[in-house]
Amino acid sequence: AQSVTQLDSQVPVFEEAPVELRCNYSSSVSVYLFWYVQYPNQGLQLLLKYLSGSTLVESINGFEAEFNKSQTSFHLRKPSVHISDTAEYFCAVSEPDSSYKLIFGSGTRLLVRP
Amino acid sequence: EAGVAQSPRYKIIEKRQSVAFWCNPISGHATLYWYQQILGQGPKLLIQFQNNGVVDDSQLPKDRFSAERLKGVDSTLKIQPAKLEDSAVYLCASSLVGVKEAFFGQGTRLTVV
Repeated sequence: AQSVTQLDSQVPVFEEAPVELRCNYSSSVSVYLFWYVQYPNQGLQLLLKYLSGSTLVESINGFEAEFNKSQTSFHLRKPSVHISDTAEYFCAVSEPDSSYKLIFGSGTRLLVRP
Repeated sequence: EAGVAQSPRYKIIEKRQSVAFWCNPISGHATLYWYQQILGQGPKLLIQFQNNGVVDDSQLPKDRFSAERLKGVDSTLKIQPAKLEDSAVYLCASSLVGVKEAFFGQGTRLTVV
C-alpha cells in the first residue's frame, strides 16, 4: 500500500535561516505529490504540487520542492524562513488511478524562532 | 469564492453518544472527501463521494460511522455510538472532477469523554 514518511516530527529553526522538511513515499508507479500547510485551528492549505514536467516546483511564498524519482522523495525547502512560516506541514501523495485520494504523512511541525 | 464550510467547529460528547457533522463544499465541486485527523497524525481518508455516489469508503468503520451526500451537494458524517478513540479533527474537502487539487474546510474538532 502507498505510504508517506516524514521522518522529522518537529524542526526548530531561527528566523532567516534555511530549512528543509523531508518527505519520502513508497510507490513504484507514477504519482502526484503535494505539500499542504496547516496553521493553528485552521484547515489544510495547498502549498505546492508536482503533477508532471519540471521536477522543481515553487510556491508563491518562497517555498520550493524537488521531485526525485530515484530516491522517491519530495523534500520541501525555503532559503530564509519567517516567523509566520510556523505551522504544521504535510506531505501527501496520490496515484492517478486511485480517484486522486490523498495519502498523507504524519506531518512536520516547523517552529521558527526569532 | 466561498470555501468549504463545516459545522460545528467544536463538539464534546460522552462515549456511546451520537454526533453528526455537516459539510458544504465549494459550489460546483462534484467530489467530496471526509478525512479523520487524529492528534499527531496526518489526515486519513474515511470516505469519498462523486456527486451522490460513494467512490471509496474502504477505511470507514461502517459499524459506527455513516455518511451521506443527498442531492450531490451537502454532506453529513455521523458517528453512533462514539468511542474515546474517535476524538479527532474531521476534515471535509472538495474538488472538481478529475482535478488533483482538493480544498479543505477548517474542520470539526470532536472530543469524546
